[in-house]
Amino acid sequence: SQTIHQWPATLVQPVGSPLSLECTVEGTSNPNLYWYRQAAGRGLQLLFYSVGIGQISSEVPQNLSASRPQDRQFILSSKKLLLSDSGFYLCAWSGLAGGQLETQYFGPGTRLLVL
Amino acid sequence: QKEVEQNSGPLSVPEGAIASLNCTYSDRGSQSFFWYRQYSGKSPELIMFIYSNGDKEDGRFTAQLNKASQYVSLLIRDSQPSDSATYLCAVNTGGFKTIFGAGTRLFVKA
Repeated sequence: SQTIHQWPATLVQPVGSPLSLECTVEGTSNPNLYWYRQAAGRGLQLLFYSVGIGQISSEVPQNLSASRPQDRQFILSSKKLLLSDSGFYLCAWSGLAGGQLETQYFGPGTRLLVL
Repeated sequence: QKEVEQNSGPLSVPEGAIASLNCTYSDRGSQSFFWYRQYSGKSPELIMFIYSNGDKEDGRFTAQLNKASQYVSLLIRDSQPSDSATYLCAVNTGGFKTIFGAGTRLFVKA
Protein backbone atom coordinates (compact mmCIF):
# COMPACT_ATOMS: atom_id res chain seq x y z
CA SER A 1 0.00 0.00 0.00
CA GLN A 2 0.98 3.60 -0.46
CA THR A 3 1.90 5.99 2.34
CA ILE A 4 2.81 9.64 2.29
CA HIS A 5 4.93 11.38 4.90
CA GLN A 6 5.41 15.03 5.69
CA TRP A 7 7.72 16.75 8.11
CA PRO A 8 7.91 18.60 10.27
CA ALA A 9 4.39 18.31 11.70
CA THR A 10 4.45 21.82 13.14
CA LEU A 11 6.77 24.74 12.66
CA VAL A 12 7.02 28.23 14.14
CA GLN A 13 9.27 30.55 12.18
CA PRO A 14 10.09 34.27 12.33
CA VAL A 15 9.29 36.57 9.44
CA GLY A 16 12.17 36.65 6.96
CA SER A 17 13.51 33.22 7.82
CA PRO A 18 13.88 30.42 5.25
CA LEU A 19 11.58 27.42 4.96
CA SER A 20 11.94 23.84 3.84
CA LEU A 21 9.09 21.34 4.04
CA GLU A 22 9.54 17.81 2.83
CA CYS A 23 7.15 15.21 1.50
CA THR A 24 7.90 11.62 0.54
CA VAL A 25 5.70 8.89 -0.88
CA GLU A 26 6.20 5.16 -0.44
CA GLY A 27 4.70 2.23 -2.29
CA THR A 28 4.32 3.75 -5.72
CA SER A 29 6.48 5.00 -8.53
CA ASN A 30 6.18 8.08 -10.73
CA PRO A 31 3.35 9.64 -8.74
CA ASN A 32 1.95 13.06 -9.48
CA LEU A 33 2.73 15.25 -6.48
CA TYR A 34 1.01 18.37 -5.18
CA TRP A 35 1.51 21.09 -2.58
CA TYR A 36 -1.55 22.81 -1.17
CA ARG A 37 -2.02 25.48 1.46
CA GLN A 38 -5.11 25.71 3.62
CA ALA A 39 -5.69 28.93 5.55
CA ALA A 40 -7.85 28.74 8.67
CA GLY A 41 -11.48 28.10 7.67
CA ARG A 42 -10.65 28.22 3.99
CA GLY A 43 -10.45 25.80 1.12
CA LEU A 44 -7.36 24.22 -0.34
CA GLN A 45 -5.21 26.40 -2.55
CA LEU A 46 -3.04 24.52 -5.03
CA LEU A 47 0.50 25.90 -4.94
CA PHE A 48 2.55 23.52 -7.10
CA TYR A 49 2.24 20.21 -8.84
CA SER A 50 4.77 17.90 -10.40
CA VAL A 51 4.44 15.08 -12.91
CA GLY A 52 8.05 13.94 -12.71
CA ILE A 53 11.56 14.59 -11.45
CA GLY A 54 12.51 18.22 -11.99
CA GLN A 55 9.10 19.08 -13.47
CA ILE A 56 7.30 21.73 -11.45
CA SER A 57 4.22 23.73 -12.34
CA SER A 58 3.35 26.78 -10.27
CA GLU A 59 -0.26 27.74 -9.86
CA VAL A 60 0.03 30.92 -7.85
CA PRO A 61 2.89 33.46 -8.07
CA GLN A 62 4.17 33.93 -4.55
CA ASN A 63 6.98 33.73 -2.09
CA LEU A 64 7.36 29.96 -2.37
CA SER A 65 9.14 27.49 -4.63
CA ALA A 66 9.07 23.74 -5.04
CA SER A 67 11.51 21.09 -6.16
CA ARG A 68 11.36 17.39 -6.92
CA PRO A 69 14.88 16.01 -6.66
CA GLN A 70 13.76 12.36 -6.59
CA ASP A 71 10.77 10.47 -7.95
CA ARG A 72 8.99 10.26 -4.60
CA GLN A 73 10.28 13.38 -2.91
CA PHE A 74 8.71 16.83 -3.10
CA ILE A 75 10.09 19.86 -1.29
CA LEU A 76 8.50 23.22 -0.62
CA SER A 77 10.85 26.11 0.10
CA SER A 78 11.01 29.80 0.76
CA LYS A 79 13.97 32.13 1.09
CA LYS A 80 12.14 34.66 3.25
CA LEU A 81 8.86 33.90 4.98
CA LEU A 82 6.03 36.39 5.18
CA LEU A 83 3.28 36.57 7.79
CA SER A 84 0.83 35.58 5.07
CA ASP A 85 2.67 32.28 4.58
CA SER A 86 1.13 30.92 7.78
CA GLY A 87 -1.22 28.02 7.20
CA PHE A 88 -1.63 24.28 6.93
CA TYR A 89 0.56 22.86 4.17
CA LEU A 90 -0.58 19.64 2.60
CA CYS A 91 1.25 17.36 0.23
CA ALA A 92 -0.76 14.97 -1.92
CA TRP A 93 -0.08 12.29 -4.48
CA SER A 94 -2.10 10.78 -7.27
CA GLY A 95 -1.47 8.04 -9.78
CA LEU A 96 -2.62 4.76 -11.17
CA ALA A 97 -1.61 2.98 -7.98
CA GLY A 98 -4.41 4.89 -6.29
CA GLY A 99 -6.99 3.37 -8.59
CA GLN A 100 -8.05 6.48 -10.45
CA LEU A 101 -5.43 8.79 -11.90
CA GLU A 102 -7.07 11.98 -10.66
CA THR A 103 -7.75 10.82 -7.10
CA GLN A 104 -5.50 12.62 -4.66
CA TYR A 105 -4.36 11.27 -1.30
CA PHE A 106 -3.06 13.62 1.33
CA GLY A 107 -0.21 13.49 3.78
CA PRO A 108 -0.65 14.45 7.45
CA GLY A 109 0.26 18.08 6.78
CA THR A 110 2.59 20.68 8.28
CA ARG A 111 1.15 23.48 10.36
CA LEU A 112 3.28 26.62 9.85
CA LEU A 113 3.02 29.72 11.98
CA VAL A 114 5.04 32.75 10.93
CA LEU A 115 5.51 35.35 13.66
CA GLN B 1 -12.68 31.37 -12.91
CA LYS B 2 -13.62 27.81 -12.14
CA GLU B 3 -15.35 27.49 -8.78
CA VAL B 4 -16.70 24.92 -6.38
CA GLU B 5 -19.29 26.19 -3.93
CA GLN B 6 -20.41 24.65 -0.65
CA ASN B 7 -22.53 25.92 2.20
CA SER B 8 -20.09 26.50 5.06
CA GLY B 9 -22.60 25.34 7.69
CA PRO B 10 -22.54 24.23 10.35
CA LEU B 11 -25.07 21.58 9.44
CA SER B 12 -26.44 20.04 12.61
CA VAL B 13 -28.28 16.70 12.56
CA PRO B 14 -29.30 14.31 15.34
CA GLU B 15 -27.63 10.95 15.69
CA GLY B 16 -29.19 8.38 13.39
CA ALA B 17 -30.53 10.94 10.90
CA ILE B 18 -29.52 11.44 7.28
CA ALA B 19 -27.04 14.25 6.65
CA SER B 20 -27.21 15.85 3.21
CA LEU B 21 -24.24 17.83 1.96
CA ASN B 22 -24.39 19.78 -1.28
CA CYS B 23 -21.90 21.18 -3.77
CA THR B 24 -22.18 23.09 -7.04
CA TYR B 25 -19.47 23.68 -9.61
CA SER B 26 -19.04 26.13 -12.43
CA ASP B 27 -17.03 24.23 -15.07
CA ARG B 28 -19.49 22.27 -17.18
CA GLY B 29 -16.61 20.22 -18.60
CA SER B 30 -15.71 18.73 -15.21
CA GLN B 31 -15.47 14.98 -15.28
CA SER B 32 -14.62 13.60 -11.87
CA PHE B 33 -15.91 14.50 -8.44
CA PHE B 34 -14.68 13.69 -4.97
CA TRP B 35 -15.78 13.94 -1.37
CA TYR B 36 -13.22 14.24 1.41
CA ARG B 37 -13.69 14.30 5.17
CA GLN B 38 -11.43 16.49 7.28
CA TYR B 39 -11.39 16.29 11.05
CA SER B 40 -10.26 19.38 12.91
CA GLY B 41 -6.49 19.76 12.73
CA LYS B 42 -6.10 16.79 10.39
CA SER B 43 -5.60 16.34 6.68
CA PRO B 44 -8.42 15.46 4.26
CA GLU B 45 -9.19 11.80 3.73
CA LEU B 46 -11.00 10.48 0.68
CA ILE B 47 -14.53 9.19 1.24
CA MET B 48 -15.50 8.43 -2.33
CA PHE B 49 -15.44 9.60 -5.92
CA ILE B 50 -18.06 9.63 -8.65
CA TYR B 51 -17.81 10.04 -12.42
CA SER B 52 -21.22 9.22 -13.84
CA ASN B 53 -24.63 10.79 -13.39
CA GLY B 54 -26.72 9.12 -10.73
CA ASP B 55 -25.99 7.59 -7.36
CA LYS B 56 -23.00 5.71 -6.02
CA GLU B 57 -23.23 3.98 -2.67
CA ASP B 58 -20.44 2.93 -0.31
CA GLY B 59 -21.61 1.76 3.09
CA ARG B 60 -23.46 4.59 4.83
CA PHE B 61 -22.34 7.09 2.17
CA THR B 62 -24.09 7.88 -1.12
CA ALA B 63 -22.74 10.33 -3.65
CA GLN B 64 -25.16 11.82 -6.17
CA LEU B 65 -24.13 13.54 -9.37
CA ASN B 66 -26.23 15.64 -11.74
CA LYS B 67 -24.02 17.05 -14.47
CA ALA B 68 -26.87 18.91 -16.18
CA SER B 69 -27.46 20.89 -12.98
CA GLN B 70 -23.74 20.95 -12.12
CA TYR B 71 -24.55 19.58 -8.73
CA VAL B 72 -23.02 16.87 -6.57
CA SER B 73 -24.15 15.79 -3.13
CA LEU B 74 -23.17 13.42 -0.34
CA LEU B 75 -25.70 11.65 1.85
CA ILE B 76 -24.65 10.11 5.14
CA ARG B 77 -27.17 7.63 6.52
CA ASP B 78 -27.44 6.75 10.20
CA SER B 79 -25.20 9.69 11.12
CA GLN B 80 -22.89 9.14 14.07
CA PRO B 81 -21.11 11.66 16.32
CA SER B 82 -17.86 10.39 14.77
CA ASP B 83 -19.09 11.78 11.43
CA SER B 84 -18.75 15.30 12.83
CA ALA B 85 -16.15 16.91 10.57
CA THR B 86 -15.74 19.24 7.62
CA TYR B 87 -16.64 17.70 4.28
CA LEU B 88 -14.81 18.94 1.21
CA CYS B 89 -16.18 18.66 -2.28
CA ALA B 90 -13.54 18.50 -5.02
CA VAL B 91 -13.92 18.68 -8.78
CA ASN B 92 -11.34 17.67 -11.37
CA THR B 93 -11.62 20.04 -14.30
CA GLY B 94 -9.19 18.15 -16.51
CA GLY B 95 -5.61 17.02 -16.28
CA PHE B 96 -4.00 17.76 -12.94
CA LYS B 97 -6.34 20.50 -11.83
CA THR B 98 -8.64 19.62 -8.95
CA ILE B 99 -10.53 22.46 -7.33
CA PHE B 100 -11.66 22.12 -3.72
CA GLY B 101 -14.62 23.77 -2.09
CA ALA B 102 -14.17 25.47 1.26
CA GLY B 103 -16.10 22.69 2.97
CA THR B 104 -19.27 22.18 4.99
CA ARG B 105 -18.99 21.64 8.73
CA LEU B 106 -21.21 18.81 9.95
CA PHE B 107 -22.15 18.35 13.59
CA VAL B 108 -23.94 15.18 14.65
CA LYS B 109 -25.65 15.51 18.02
CA ALA B 110 -25.67 12.46 20.29
